[in-house]
Amino acid sequence: DGGITQSPKYLFRKEGQNVTLSCEQNLNHDAMYWYRQDPGQGLRLIYYSQIVNDFQKGDIAEGYSVSREKKESFPLTVTSAQKNPTAFYLCASAGTSGSGFTGELFFGEGSRLTVL
Amino acid sequence: SQQGEEDPQALSIQEGENATMNCSYKTSINNLQWYRQNSGRGLVHLILIRSNEREKHSGRLRVTLDTSKKSSSLLITASRAADTASYFCATVTDSWGKFQFGAGTQVVVTP
Repeated sequence: DGGITQSPKYLFRKEGQNVTLSCEQNLNHDAMYWYRQDPGQGLRLIYYSQIVNDFQKGDIAEGYSVSREKKESFPLTVTSAQKNPTAFYLCASAGTSGSGFTGELFFGEGSRLTVL
Repeated sequence: SQQGEEDPQALSIQEGENATMNCSYKTSINNLQWYRQNSGRGLVHLILIRSNEREKHSGRLRVTLDTSKKSSSLLITASRAADTASYFCATVTDSWGKFQFGAGTQVVVTP
């Protein structure tokens, strides 16, 4: 079945360590996104990519890095520079045509990161 | 910054009742979308309404959009316990723009 797969579902990290969250999609979507969700809050955009080898910072990019070497993959690295990394991270993708987005976002099941 | 703001923050109703939640936004939009999130899960798309549309239906869902007031509402009719979830509105400000989410409305439907 087509969809978005995030891994790991749960991750524990010690302070000072970098961690990488995986996001893979087989929907043939050009656009991919990373959001952060804190308890009781909405989603905040970290990074997004509209095409392979290109990505833009979102509203809270500091302390995070991404790459988009393949259309299917958009990994997120949470670096030690991120001061408060404990959160629920959501990856999403969207189809595009020549004139822009074709509709909605498709989300993965999320990765919950806890810093010990 | 968040583009959309949902109201109320939380809503508790009984099965069979209707649930209404609102979303206000600040800038012109290309379209507005509603999503649902079950606890600890990813978001699922419910419905999309374009800026030139005023009302849209999908099953038990009814969405309205008032661009002059920069607001939208989501109505869930005849609620079921399985509708218990958080509901988010998301705005898209141009064809290639970012999706901006509000803080959500937490809905609890009791049997």
